[in-house]
Amino acid sequence: DSGVTQTPKHLITATGQRVTLRCSPRSGDLSVYWYQQSLDQGLQFLIQYYNGEERAKGNILERFSAQQFPDLHSELNLSSLELGDSALYFCASSVARGQSSGANVLTFGAGSRLTVL
Amino acid sequence: AQSVSQHNHHVILSEAASLELGCNYSYGGTVNLFWYVQYPGQHLQLLLKYFSGDPLVKGIKGFEAEFIKSKFSFNLRKPSVQWSDTAEYFCAVKSTGGFKTIFGAGTRLFVKA
Repeated sequence: DSGVTQTPKHLITATGQRVTLRCSPRSGDLSVYWYQQSLDQGLQFLIQYYNGEERAKGNILERFSAQQFPDLHSELNLSSLELGDSALYFCASSVARGQSSGANVLTFGAGSRLTVL
Repeated sequence: AQSVSQHNHHVILSEAASLELGCNYSYGGTVNLFWYVQYPGQHLQLLLKYFSGDPLVKGIKGFEAEFIKSKFSFNLRKPSVQWSDTAEYFCAVKSTGGFKTIFGAGTRLFVKA
């Protein structure tokens, strides 16, 4: 157990629907990152939050949004789902309190596997 | 923009063979470099990292990687692989002044017993 908790583990839904993926970071970590891993593709960076604020954005679609709450958990919202959104969505956390944000090692959750039919 | 290229998508080796996985990145500034590993059914975990200093870094389970700045490379090596090294390996880079860590496409290693 890495200390990063993601729910749900598996999700099957239909095109056009909306889903929410949830991530609880490792205790004490302030940053949350979201990545998408599709078949035969690497980990595509979506977005990062630090202590509730958006810090960096990757190739995140406009249909996707995320937020980090005061208790530091994060949610990734995926709407108007398409077949191509089927993927494994990973959450990672880093930057324990008191550490520099400069050099971060990521701690990953087990991922949420989304299947869009 | 930063990018990471891993040369091999699939590698098959026999036990005791030597391993080298290539990784090149594109970024002109100072970087932190990482190799992460994902064993079957498990989450990604850090294998080793380079922040500064000795360009030859050692990680867990006998893995090492060498940072060659002039070649923008950070290749992963292991002298003798074991069946338990079967996993997917990801190279990653983060600029020291930035916030996001960029990953390569991954290399799936299968070690035959």
